[in-house]
Amino acid sequence: DVKVTQSSRYLVKRTGEKVFLECVQDMDHENMFWYRQDPGLGLRLIYFSYDVKMKEKGDIPEGYSVSREKKERFSLILESASTNQTSMYLCASSSGQARRGYTFGSGTRLTVV
Amino acid sequence: GENVEQHPSTLSVQEGDSAVIKCTYSDSASNYFPWYKQELGKRPQLIIDIRSNVGEKKDQRIAVTLNKTAKHFSLHITETQPEDSAVYFCAASMEAAGNKLTFGGGTRVLVKP
Repeated sequence: DVKVTQSSRYLVKRTGEKVFLECVQDMDHENMFWYRQDPGLGLRLIYFSYDVKMKEKGDIPEGYSVSREKKERFSLILESASTNQTSMYLCASSSGQARRGYTFGSGTRLTVV
Repeated sequence: GENVEQHPSTLSVQEGDSAVIKCTYSDSASNYFPWYKQELGKRPQLIIDIRSNVGEKKDQRIAVTLNKTAKHFSLHITETQPEDSAVYFCAASMEAAGNKLTFGGGTRVLVKP
């Protein structure tokens, strides 16, 4: 019963490539989030969205952009991938009403070479 | 913005002993404090949460305490078992702000049989 799906589990991209990470949720959640996870740094918020076509910068938005054209889909875009963007990327969603915390996707481990 | 610090970064305990993880937060407006458990290679899962109108909450072998005055909260695991071995993250948010969570750096817990 997977509820938050990230399109790729592992990705290897070259420096300078444009990279798309896709996230889809089937819980009709209003809020969606992109975090990156690095050892010792926890989860750091890149961007989030609380409605279709709405987006807000998180704590580390530089080098990233997002798109939310439909409620269930939230895409993270690396405009020009760099080696310091090698990381685990986690998508999450939450309901604005229930306030029950996040449901996370399985993560995408991105390696930029 | 909010800043969450988590200690210790690693914790090794004997099976059957208790484990305590502590977090501090900076924004006095934060009012929601969840804890996530991430097993190796898996997504973070919500294990317990507490809101600022409550000082303590318990669920079987896990409990959370919150001290709003001191701006810190803790996770207590009693009678630890090998399956408690994981990385644990604390987080804080203001529920009105789109449920945006700020995470601590994580604690790697190892329960030795």
